[in-house]
Amino acid sequence: AQSVTQLDSHVSVSEGTPVLLRCNYSSSYSPSLFWYVQHPNKGLQLLLKYTSAATLVKGINGFEAEFKKSETSFHLTKPSAHMSDAAEYFCVVSLSGGSNYKLTFGKGTLLTVNP
Amino acid sequence: SQTIHQWPATLVQPVGSPLSLECTVEGTSNPNLYWYRQAAGRGLQLLFYSVGIGQISSEVPQNLSASRPQDRQFILSSKKLLLSDSGFYLCAWSQVTRSRYTFGSGTRLTVV
Repeated sequence: AQSVTQLDSHVSVSEGTPVLLRCNYSSSYSPSLFWYVQHPNKGLQLLLKYTSAATLVKGINGFEAEFKKSETSFHLTKPSAHMSDAAEYFCVVSLSGGSNYKLTFGKGTLLTVNP
Repeated sequence: SQTIHQWPATLVQPVGSPLSLECTVEGTSNPNLYWYRQAAGRGLQLLFYSVGIGQISSEVPQNLSASRPQDRQFILSSKKLLLSDSGFYLCAWSQVTRSRYTFGSGTRLTVV
């Protein structure tokens, strides 16, 4: 069984300050991990993914995440928040391999960026 | 409270057979509804979305269709499945004026 826990339902930061969105997972096998972003009235956009290569993964828009197996974590970070980063973020885990592996979504973290 | 139901969880279908996946939402009215698909090596791809009964927008051309016969019901269909239709299908809903989305538990479809 696999599960994802996003530790904060809402994170609020000031523009220009660092962003940290936390995600813990559990999986019986080597997982693939993803972060998606959902902007209002748009489809999900893939930010980055970890698939057993480098543990520090760089994504789009300056985001990155580090896979820490010992802590079963995959936290999303960005050094400096921008107003356009305000959106909902989903951490997702899946078992590796195949075209129809099951995705398990976290409940989402709403990021608010204050001017 | 709002809930979203998606079924079946797993489905194995032969090539050329029809498909019907159903998604229903409870506890809200007039939601925006979405069908996504996860294909091999890709992130989730938006297939269809609907802002009201009978209103369907298609994001990508494909072998699938969607219908919304009732306010809180969203159906994904195919007349003849292809091998390439295999994947993980996810239904989601959002309130019209808010950005928060809620996802169903997904359907793993294998076409053989």
